[in-house]
Amino acid sequence: DAGVTQSPTHLIKTRGQQVTLRCSPISGHKSVSWYQQVLGQGPQFIFQYYEKEERGRGNFPDRFSARQFPNYSSELNVNALLLGDSALYLCASSSGTGGGTVWNTEAFFGQGTRLTVV
Amino acid sequence: GENVEQHPSTLSVQEGDSAVIKCTYSDSASNYFPWYKQELGKRPQLIIDIRSNVGEKKDQRIAVTLNKTAKHFSLHITETQPEDSAVYFCAASKTGRRALTFGSGTRLQVQP
Repeated sequence: DAGVTQSPTHLIKTRGQQVTLRCSPISGHKSVSWYQQVLGQGPQFIFQYYEKEERGRGNFPDRFSARQFPNYSSELNVNALLLGDSALYLCASSSGTGGGTVWNTEAFFGQGTRLTVV
Repeated sequence: GENVEQHPSTLSVQEGDSAVIKCTYSDSASNYFPWYKQELGKRPQLIIDIRSNVGEKKDQRIAVTLNKTAKHFSLHITETQPEDSAVYFCAASKTGRRALTFGSGTRLQVQP
C-alpha cells in the first residue's frame, strides 16, 4: 500500500522563477494539506483541499496557490520565488469527512520536496 | 489563531531513562493533539495522538496525557533507546479548522 508520494524530491530554482510541486495522497484519502518547514522549525500550514475545494489557507502570500485534481492528487505553485521560500515542502494526506463533527483525522506526510532558491 | 508552545527544545537522556516533552496550546476549542517524530532528512511520522474526550493514551513505551483545563499535553517515552533519537513535534487542531498547528520541536538525543 503506497504512502503519500511527492515529486520532485529536490529542486533548485533562481529568485523570481516559478515552481510546481506535486503530491499523490494515500489511496482512498480525499484531503490533502500543504506545509512549509523551514530548517529547525515546525511545519507551517499553507493550504488544505478536500474534494477538490480549498478548505483552509494559512498565512502565506498570494504567490502561493494550489489545486486538487479529480483523482485527489494536488499541486502547490509558488510564483516569484524569494530566497526565504527555501524550505522543505510537505504534503499531508488524510481521509477527512464530508460533514458531521469529525474533521480532524490522522494526517500522514510525504517525504517532502526540498526547495532551494538561489 | 492557535498557538502551540513546546518545551524543551533539546533533551538528552541516557538509554533506558524516561523522556518527557511538554506542549501548551492557546485555543480551548482544540480537540485533537497528534505527536510526530521526524528523523534527519525524513518525513514526520505520526507516533501517537489523543482526542479531547480522553485524558491519557498509551502505546507500548509511548504515552500522551492531556489536561484540558490547563491546556497542555505531554509526551512520555519510557525505556528510551538510541533509535528514539529524533526531533519530536506536537500539534493541535480543532473541528472545523482543517490545519495542524505545530510546536517548534524537541530534539531528543538518547545516549547509549
